[in-house]
Amino acid sequence: AQSVTQPDIHITVSEGASLELRCNYSYGATPYLFWYVQSPGQGLQLLLKYFSGDTLVQGIKGFEAEFKRSQSSFNLRKPSVHWSDAAEYFCAVGANTGGFKTIFGAGTRLFVKA
Amino acid sequence: GAVVSQHPSRVICKSGTSVKIECRSLDFQATTMFWYRQFPKQSLMLMATSNEGSKATYEQGVEKDKFLINHASLTLSTLTVTSAHPEDSSFYICSAREVGTGGNQPQHFGDGTRLSIL
Repeated sequence: AQSVTQPDIHITVSEGASLELRCNYSYGATPYLFWYVQSPGQGLQLLLKYFSGDTLVQGIKGFEAEFKRSQSSFNLRKPSVHWSDAAEYFCAVGANTGGFKTIFGAGTRLFVKA
Repeated sequence: GAVVSQHPSRVICKSGTSVKIECRSLDFQATTMFWYRQFPKQSLMLMATSNEGSKATYEQGVEKDKFLINHASLTLSTLTVTSAHPEDSSFYICSAREVGTGGNQPQHFGDGTRLSIL
């Protein structure tokens, strides 16, 4: 069964600083990987996805993520954080069998300080 | 882009009331819709997978008689919390996946429903 681990419950960065949110997955086959962002009281918005091809994927709002099979990781990065990036970020892995479920990590809360 | 509309966004009602939440895909058809529950500061917990024209598949530990799911068309799924009690208070989120897509495609999420049972 697939699983996702986000080791950091919360992270605080200064505005303008770089950001990296960690994600490790467990899945027996080629994973389908996603990063979503959730603002308080809202649904989830897709930032980016990976399922094949170039291991460095670009997303919206200046985010990117790199798939590293050897490390079972899919870390999210942004070179310069803006105050509006403060939110909850979820890494997710999608299965290609069994109803195509998507399993979410526990999430990482990003705080941005001025 | 694909839009999922979830209604209502917030419900406050008395204990024992049944509450229906609607999830609609506005500009695409969704064979499969998913219902999640999210507790404060926690991740999304998949409750059930809803397939158009068939019975929903519930995750282990989710009471199917408590959380009734109907997926009558390719654009609408409903979740009814029957005889709701305070412990059912939570944030419920639906998502939909377009017809013909599989696990390699993202789900499109609604904005969630905040359910508060007094």
